[in-house]
Amino acid sequence: ETGVTQTPRHLVMGMTNKKSLKCEQHLGHNAMYWYKQSAKKPLELMFVYSLEERVENNSVPSRFSPECPNSSHLFLHLHTLQPEDSALYLCASSQGQGAETQYFGPGTRLLVL
Amino acid sequence: LAKTTQPISMDSYEGQEVNITCSHNNIATNDYITWYQQFPSQGPRFIIQGYKTKVTNEVASLFIPADRKSSTLSLPRVSLSDTAVYYCLVVGAGSNYQLIWGAGTKLIIKP
Repeated sequence: ETGVTQTPRHLVMGMTNKKSLKCEQHLGHNAMYWYKQSAKKPLELMFVYSLEERVENNSVPSRFSPECPNSSHLFLHLHTLQPEDSALYLCASSQGQGAETQYFGPGTRLLVL
Repeated sequence: LAKTTQPISMDSYEGQEVNITCSHNNIATNDYITWYQQFPSQGPRFIIQGYKTKVTNEVASLFIPADRKSSTLSLPRVSLSDTAVYYCLVVGAGSNYQLIWGAGTKLIIKP
């Protein structure tokens, strides 16, 4: 497996469910990102991890909880989500920080009922 | 923070050159300008990055005027497979993760 992979690709959950999104990068990168992409809106940066340490948390509601157990894996734990949280959740990685090229996974399409 | 503005959509024809402009009036001294391409059901993919003047690679050129308040992505001789959404990103070179994405330009190439 190469590049950045995400599972599941699609997820439907109720507002009381707990689920997790998984991201894995096979590029040897040091930084990993979670983005939210809603229709006709700019990509919203949610969290950034650098060398497994969270370095950015853009005022994301606590119902989203990230976890980075090592430099290759990133999780986004979801609980008590709202319908407006339905979106495409993208994971990305980069070699370093700042202006480094980001490599994206295919995303998880989330629908909250 | 630099806010980026780009056209919502554009149409062109196969074989034409396409130019997509992004406005970033408040760009900071340390910011770079990066363009990504996104196809349906895929994540964005890096196209090109620049700081000033002109940058060219095998797929595109990026023109940045001296004041750096805008940038233009140029796609030479487009084909149907270039139909995608193109994003302009202004990003700081430091470690503060100031990532300002545009809303994207949906480019449709017609035969």
